[in-house]
Order: sequence, then C-alpha cells, then structure tokens
Amino acid sequence: SQTIHQWPATLVQPVGSPLSLECTVEGTSNPNLYWYRQAAGRGLQLLFYSVGIGQISSEVPQNLSASRPQDRQFILSSKKLLLSDSGFYLCAWSIGTTVDEQYFGPGTRLTVT
Amino acid sequence: AQSVTQLDSQVPVFEEAPVELRCNYSSSVSVYLFWYVQYPNQGLQLLLKYLSGSTLVESINGFEAEFNKSQTSFHLRKPSVHISDTAEYFCAVKLNNAGNMLTFGGGTRLMVKP
Repeated sequence: SQTIHQWPATLVQPVGSPLSLECTVEGTSNPNLYWYRQAAGRGLQLLFYSVGIGQISSEVPQNLSASRPQDRQFILSSKKLLLSDSGFYLCAWSIGTTVDEQYFGPGTRLTVT
Repeated sequence: AQSVTQLDSQVPVFEEAPVELRCNYSSSVSVYLFWYVQYPNQGLQLLLKYLSGSTLVESINGFEAEFNKSQTSFHLRKPSVHISDTAEYFCAVKLNNAGNMLTFGGGTRLMVKP
C-alpha cells in the first residue's frame, strides 16, 4: 500500500534562517506531488506541484522554493524565513489520472519566531 | 477560474444532533467534488467524493453529500453526530479537464459538544 511521510513533524526556526522540509512517498511510481500551506484559521493554499523529476510549477510567488530530486521525494526550501511563513505544511500525492483524489501526509507545523 | 465557498467557518452542534456543512462552487464546466476531513494536527483524509452517477454519495462513517448541479452545491450532512466527528472539514473541486489541481474551500470547523 502507499504511504506518505513528512519530516520533521514540528519545527521552530528564527526569522532569516533557512528551511528544508522533506516529503517522501512509498508504494507508487511517478506520482504527482504537491506542497500546500495552511495558515492559522485559513484554508489550504497550493504552493507547488510536480508531475515528474525536476518539473516544478509554482502557484504563488514567495520566498519558498521546491525541488524534486527523486521520483518520490519532494522538498520545500527557503533561504531566509519570514514570520509570515509560519503555518502547517502539507505534502500530498496523486497517481495522475483525471479523476483521482489527492492523498495527504501528516504535515509539518512550522513556527517562525 | 473556479472557486469554492464554505459559508460557515465554525459549526457548533450537540452530540446526536443532525448537521449540515455547506459548500458552493463556481465553475462553467463540469467538476469533480470532494470532502476531506482534518483531525487536529493531522493531514487531510478523503471523506467522500462525487465523480459521476448518483448525486448522493456516502462515507463509511455516516456522512453523506449531495451534488446539486443547478445550485452548484455539494453540502455535507450527517443525521446524528458524535464527539469524534469534531474536526475541520474541507470541500474541494477539480475541473474534469484541468489535470490534477484541486481548489479547496476555506474549511468549516465542526465542534460537537456533549
């Protein structure tokens, strides 16, 4: 069966520090991968999605970036965190057909101080 | 572009009472519709989905949702809620000709009180 992992589960970082969040998927090949952010009291905002290795699409301009170095690995990064980057970051995957749903990881709670 | 509106940000309800969480979408093309549930500090889990066929879809834990094309709605209902249903619920829409992008509503926090 397929599983999706995210780490770390929680992270507290000072403003201006770098960020690296990792997401890996097991049990499937060539998935579509997604990064979402959920700010306090708000819905989900799609940040990045990827349909293959090295293929990244950005949905919103910001100081975050994403990379997909391997088929089932998706990394969210920042060179310098802002206070507004605090939130709950969710990774998701789908198998790539039109009608399939997305499957979400457990999330990473990021607090920028 | 499509959008999804969840009219109620919070819905408090007593245990064993019925509940309806509202979801409306705007789209000029046909869509697929989803409800996800998020328990505290966890990721989202798919609750139910409408792809085609019967407009009434059900989940294994007693929730149901009805697709109403004329009203562009996909409201979620449960006739009798439990304390364990306390969670945040997200409605999501996918255009049937737009790949895999989901558009989420702002979420509704269901708070079940004893």
